[in-house]
Amino acid sequence: QVQLQQWGTGLLKPSETLSLTCTVFGGSLADHYWNWIRQPPGKGLEWIGETSYIGRASYSPSLKSRVAISVDTSKNQFSLKLNSVTAADTAAYFCARRGQFDFWSFDYWGQGTLVSVSS
Amino acid sequence: DIQMTQSPSSLSASVGDRVTISCRASQDIRNELAWYQQKPGNAPKRLIYTASTLQSGVPSRFGGSGSGTEFTLTISSLQPEDFGTYYCLQHKNYPLTFGGGTKVEIK
Repeated sequence: QVQLQQWGTGLLKPSETLSLTCTVFGGSLADHYWNWIRQPPGKGLEWIGETSYIGRASYSPSLKSRVAISVDTSKNQFSLKLNSVTAADTAAYFCARRGQFDFWSFDYWGQGTLVSVSS
Repeated sequence: DIQMTQSPSSLSASVGDRVTISCRASQDIRNELAWYQQKPGNAPKRLIYTASTLQSGVPSRFGGSGSGTEFTLTISSLQPEDFGTYYCLQHKNYPLTFGGGTKVEIK
């Protein structure tokens, strides 16, 4: 059974860098795309971006200038960095998997990490 | 970007009712759409993929239909555990986009 377990800093000050990591248990990074999605409190879901297991990344145009998603196959994990955060980046952040064999929508999700940005 | 418009934004229904949620895409996405259920404090859970295929383990009262720009999620007989917020997702084009959500409450 595939499990995604995520962790990272939950409280940031404006202008700092958000950093989250997601480890994949029970499966390989190969043949899938590894995603980050966020949800501001009380609001809907927003796709941030994804990376393939060879490190080919795609990002939301609205966040592209501030975001980087990377993969570490030796640790079976992938990471999100979002720089120059503001209060608008306060949200629950989820990691998720999708791929050809999962019909291209997200089938497995991490538990979510609440990130708050406040001075 | 492909805009996904969901309706209604919220609904309240009784146990046993038939519930329908709609999702409209701003351009043709063929059948590249999934439906998710999210309960407070949890990650979303996939119910339907490729517009109409039921995820393994999901009760058969959930059904999806549509293609192109118009899609529907139907709950044939609402159960108490079906409360939560439902989202559609298009994955035909980047950026992947979600509908705004439909909050389902049990009367």
